[in-house]
Amino acid sequence: QVQLQESGPGLVKPSETLSLTCTVSGDSISSYYWSWIRQPPGKGLEWIGYVYYSGSTNYNPSLKSRVTISVDTSKNQFSLKLSSVTAADTAVYYCARGRWADFQHWGQGTLVTVSS
Amino acid sequence: EIVLTQSPATLSLSPGERATLSCRASQSVSNYLAWYQQIPGQAPRLLIHDASNRATGIPARFSGSGSGTDFTLTISSLEPEDFAVYYCQQRSNWYTFGQGTKLEIK
Repeated sequence: QVQLQESGPGLVKPSETLSLTCTVSGDSISSYYWSWIRQPPGKGLEWIGYVYYSGSTNYNPSLKSRVTISVDTSKNQFSLKLSSVTAADTAVYYCARGRWADFQHWGQGTLVTVSS
Repeated sequence: EIVLTQSPATLSLSPGERATLSCRASQSVSNYLAWYQQIPGQAPRLLIHDASNRATGIPARFSGSGSGTDFTLTISSLEPEDFAVYYCQQRSNWYTFGQGTKLEIK
């Protein structure tokens, strides 16, 4: 059974870069689409972007200028970097494994707060 | 951007009743529509993919229908564990989610 686990700082200062890693176990990262999705407290879901196992990426146009997602197949991990964060980027961040059209498996999520 | 509009925002029903949740897309998404259940404090769980296919391990009381712009998630007989928030999601050139329907106990 595939499992995903997010890790990274829970507190980031405004204007700095948010960095998270998702570690995949129980399956190889060398297939599927690997996404980051976030959910501000009490609000809905927003897709941030994905990396395909080959390394190709696709980002939400509203975040594209600030997002980088990369994959490390040797470690079975993929990562998110979101630059120039503000309080509006405070959210629970989920990593997820998906097919082309949906998200089959999700990590438990990690809360990232942007505050000085 | 394709906008998904879910209705109602809140649905109040009792265990054993039938629930019908709606998702409307601002333009056609063919059958690339998925449904998720989210219990507070947990990650979303995939229920339905490609509009009408149950994901692995999802009980048969959950069913999905529709194509193009209008989609429905039906729960035939509500169990206590079904009271949660439900989201629809589409894939065009990128992914968007509906704003959610909260299914609460009446």
